[in-house]
Amino acid sequence: GQQLNQSPQSMFIQEGEDVSMNCTSSSIFNTWLWYKQDPGEGPVLLIALYKAGELTSNGRLTAQFGITRKDSFLNISASIPSDVGIYFCAGQPTLTQGGSEKLVFGKGTKLTVNP
Amino acid sequence: DGGITQSPKYLFRKEGQNVTLSCEQNLNHDAMYWYRQDPGQGLRLIYYSQIVNDFQKGDIAEGYSVSREKKESFPLTVTSAQKNPTAFYLCASSMQASGGGEQFFGPGTRLTVL
Repeated sequence: GQQLNQSPQSMFIQEGEDVSMNCTSSSIFNTWLWYKQDPGEGPVLLIALYKAGELTSNGRLTAQFGITRKDSFLNISASIPSDVGIYFCAGQPTLTQGGSEKLVFGKGTKLTVNP
Repeated sequence: DGGITQSPKYLFRKEGQNVTLSCEQNLNHDAMYWYRQDPGQGLRLIYYSQIVNDFQKGDIAEGYSVSREKKESFPLTVTSAQKNPTAFYLCASSMQASGGGEQFFGPGTRLTVL
């Protein structure tokens, strides 16, 4: 099946620092989504991207849909302790490439913020 | 409030028993999904349904069964045939029957097999 490579696997940062994580695929995607999951809870949708090159912000979060349609990144600026959690990327493959309409998920980036 | 509810939050079962996890949504979404999450892993799709009375196997359907008799409900049964059922189970829904797109998740059910 299709796979997303999400990196880094984990990050340990100090409060106030900026964070960047990304996802790459060998296939073309027509949607990129970024989720955050707190321990023992379901993922919460942070940002949705639908067009190549699209740059979208949600507060201190910024995400971009790569021009090649094979990657996306998420930036968090001025991190705070409540940013702790696991961040997942997800993408919807294009049907013309033979991909199904189901979302494909990355394995997540675990973020730890030290006060 | 609109959203997705899963019950129970924690579930314990003895080996060899079937157990059913509940998922209800009042978002009027057409599509619903079940995922399994293991520690340090991403989400793996078990089953999904794009419309009432229809559902398809995901990547890891063996040992699981589902039904979609109502638009708002998509229960998952973990059968005794599932060899390693202890995991965190997540239900999701999306507006479009074509699948994909923005999926919204419930709070999850943690199943432990004793």
